[in-house]
Amino acid sequence: EVELVESGGGLVQPGGSLRLSCAVSGSTFSNYWMSWVRQAPGKGLEWVANIKQDGSEKYYVDSVKGRFSTSRDNANNLVYLEMNSLRVEDTAVYYCARVWIRTFDYWGQGIVVTVSS
Amino acid sequence: DIQMTQSPSSLSASVGDSVTITCRASQTIGTYLSWYQHKPGKAPKLLIYGASSLQSGVPSRFSGSGSGTDFTLTINCLQPDDFATYYCQQSYSTPWTFGQGTKVEVK
Repeated sequence: EVELVESGGGLVQPGGSLRLSCAVSGSTFSNYWMSWVRQAPGKGLEWVANIKQDGSEKYYVDSVKGRFSTSRDNANNLVYLEMNSLRVEDTAVYYCARVWIRTFDYWGQGIVVTVSS
Repeated sequence: DIQMTQSPSSLSASVGDSVTITCRASQTIGTYLSWYQHKPGKAPKLLIYGASSLQSGVPSRFSGSGSGTDFTLTINCLQPDDFATYYCQQSYSTPWTFGQGTKVEVK
C-alpha cells in the first residue's frame, strides 16, 4: 500500500519560512516524479510544483517561483517543499502527490500552512 | 496557461441518479485529462486518467470521455459515497491546472 505523509506545517508570519516534508512508503520512490498541490480556504486545487525522479528537473507555478523550492532525498524516500517569503495568500492545505503517467495517483492527507500576523 | 472550466459549479442529485460534469480546456490537450474526487479533510482520489481510463479500484459507475478541449465525467447510479467535489486537471503542459470544481450535493 502506497502511503504519503506530510509534515512541517504550521503558523508563520508573513515573510517567514517553512519547510514541508513528505515521506513516501510502499513504492519505489525513485521511479516517480513527485508533486505538491495546495488548496486555499474555500478555493479549489492548485498545482504548485513538480520534481523529476533524480531531482534534475523542477517546475513551479508562477506565483511561487523564486520563493518556493522543491527537492528530494531518494535514499530516504522524502520530498521537500522549502517555502520562503511567505504571503498571506500562501495559506492553504498542502498535499504531496505521486505522479504516474502525468496524473496524481496517490496523495497525502495534507498539511495546513497558515500565514498570518 | 491552459484554463480549465467545469460546469456546473454545483448540482443537486439523489441516490440512483446519473450525473454528468463537463470540463472544457482553453486549448487542445489531447487526452491529458484526469478527474479527481475530493471530500473535506480527505486526500483527493484519482478516478479517471487519460480522459477515459478508470483508475484501479474505482467503481465502474464512473466513466470519462472526450479529447481535445471537451471532456465529461459521468457517474451512473449515484451512491451515498459519491457526494463530493469533483475536479478535472490537465497535464498537457505546465503549469498543470485544475478546473474550479463541481460540488455534487444531496437533493
